[in-house]
Amino acid sequence: GDSVTQMEGPVTLSEEAFLTINCTYTATGYPSLFWYVQYPGEGLQLLLKATKADDKGSNKGFEATYRKETTSFHLEKGSVQVSDSAVYFCALSGRIGGSRLTFGEGTQLTVNP
Amino acid sequence: EAGVAQSPRYKIIEKRQSVAFWCNPISGHATLYWYQQILGQGPKLLIQFQNNGVVDDSQLPKDRFSAERLKGVDSTLKIQPAKLEDSAVYLCASSLVVWSSSYNEQFFGPGTRLTVL
Repeated sequence: GDSVTQMEGPVTLSEEAFLTINCTYTATGYPSLFWYVQYPGEGLQLLLKATKADDKGSNKGFEATYRKETTSFHLEKGSVQVSDSAVYFCALSGRIGGSRLTFGEGTQLTVNP
Repeated sequence: EAGVAQSPRYKIIEKRQSVAFWCNPISGHATLYWYQQILGQGPKLLIQFQNNGVVDDSQLPKDRFSAERLKGVDSTLKIQPAKLEDSAVYLCASSLVVWSSSYNEQFFGPGTRLTVL
């Protein structure tokens, strides 16, 4: 079945540092890929998405590119802020509208001033 | 536009007791999802409704979990009897599905945190 693997362990960075959170996936066909963010005490929010190979999703300075050849969708940000501290989830869904989301285990990001 | 509403936000019960969670999706959203998020893990789909019909309940532990969406709007998820391993956050999400589209965004509620003692 479909699965998503994120880099292990929490990430701690200083403000203005470069962020990369790795995400790889296994799926049949050509899934849509997403990054969701969960801020402390809040619900899951869609951060960005890409629905086909080589698409780049971007939002709030975050970017991720759908790489079919490496089955990856790594999240990057050039300069993180304290307010970016949250848990980030990589996820995929099937090509049919309304398909379930399959999530990775999440990565806790802490940004220190 | 009002978001997905869930209640209660927190619930503490003893094992073997019963519990029910309620979800009201965004108005007009035909598809409703219940996810279970165990601490330190990503959310896992329990059940998906399209209007009042079940689309996917393959990961729902049917011996103790049940869910309904009788009028195709709000939904209730029940656990009876609860076990210690059911301690988790239960998330409800909804989407406006356009079947010709490759993706329809799911909007999540704040979740219900269940603790089973």
